[in-house]
Amino acid sequence: AQKITQTQPGMFVQEKEAVTLDCTYDTSDQSYGLFWYKQPSSGEMIFLIYQGSYDEQNATEGRYSLNFQKARKSANLVISASQLGDSAMYFCAMREGEGAQKLVFGQGTRLTINP
Amino acid sequence: DTGVSQNPRHKITKRGQNVTFRCDPISEHNRLYWYRQTLGQGPEFLTYFQNEAQLEKSRLLSDRFSAERPKGSFSTLEIQRTEQGDSAMYLCASSPRTGMTDTQYFGPGTRLTVL
Repeated sequence: AQKITQTQPGMFVQEKEAVTLDCTYDTSDQSYGLFWYKQPSSGEMIFLIYQGSYDEQNATEGRYSLNFQKARKSANLVISASQLGDSAMYFCAMREGEGAQKLVFGQGTRLTINP
Repeated sequence: DTGVSQNPRHKITKRGQNVTFRCDPISEHNRLYWYRQTLGQGPEFLTYFQNEAQLEKSRLLSDRFSAERPKGSFSTLEIQRTEQGDSAMYLCASSPRTGMTDTQYFGPGTRLTVL
C-alpha cells in the first residue's frame, strides 16, 4: 500500500484564490511527522510546513496551513491568496516512527496559478 | 546560513563510467541524507549519515553505489559502472542537531544523464 497518496496530479487555480492540495497517509505508528515541500522547475525542494502527530493544533506558516485530520489520516495543504510564484510541484512526505529519519514522499501535485 | 550546495548541478556520462557527486550541508547540521528522484516521481530515500556514521541504507542503494561522509561535513555519492536506469536527479538534504531537528533542508540536486 502507498504510504503517502496525493490524488490530484494537477490543479489549476486563479490568482488570489485559496487552494487545497490533498494528502492522505498510511501508518500504524503513533509517532510520525508530516511535511509539505514545494519543487519549482529549478528542482530544489523547498520546505514549507511540518505537522507532528502529537501536535493538537494545525500548523501554519504565513500563507500555508496544514489541515491535519488524524482520524482520517489526512494532511491537506492550504495555500491562501495564491500567487503566480506558487506554480510548482508540491510533495507531501512522512517520517514514520520514533527516531526514524527517512522521508517517504507522495507522487506530487502540479499546481498552476493562472493570472 | 547558506543552504545545502551540490556539485555538479548537471552530469552527462556514458554507460559504464563512474561518477561522483558532492554535497555540502548547511553548517552545523549533523545529519545528511541522499535521495533519488526520477521523472514524475517523488524523491526516494537512499541513505543517511549522522556525523560521519552511515546509519541507514535503502535497498535501492545497490553495490554500485557508495556514499561517504569522512569528516562529518561534506558527503560524496559515487556510482560505479553507470547504467541508463541511473539517470535521475540526486538530491542531498541536511537537518540540524537542535531546533527543527525533524526538518530536512534540500539542495538544488545533481541531474545525472547516462547515455
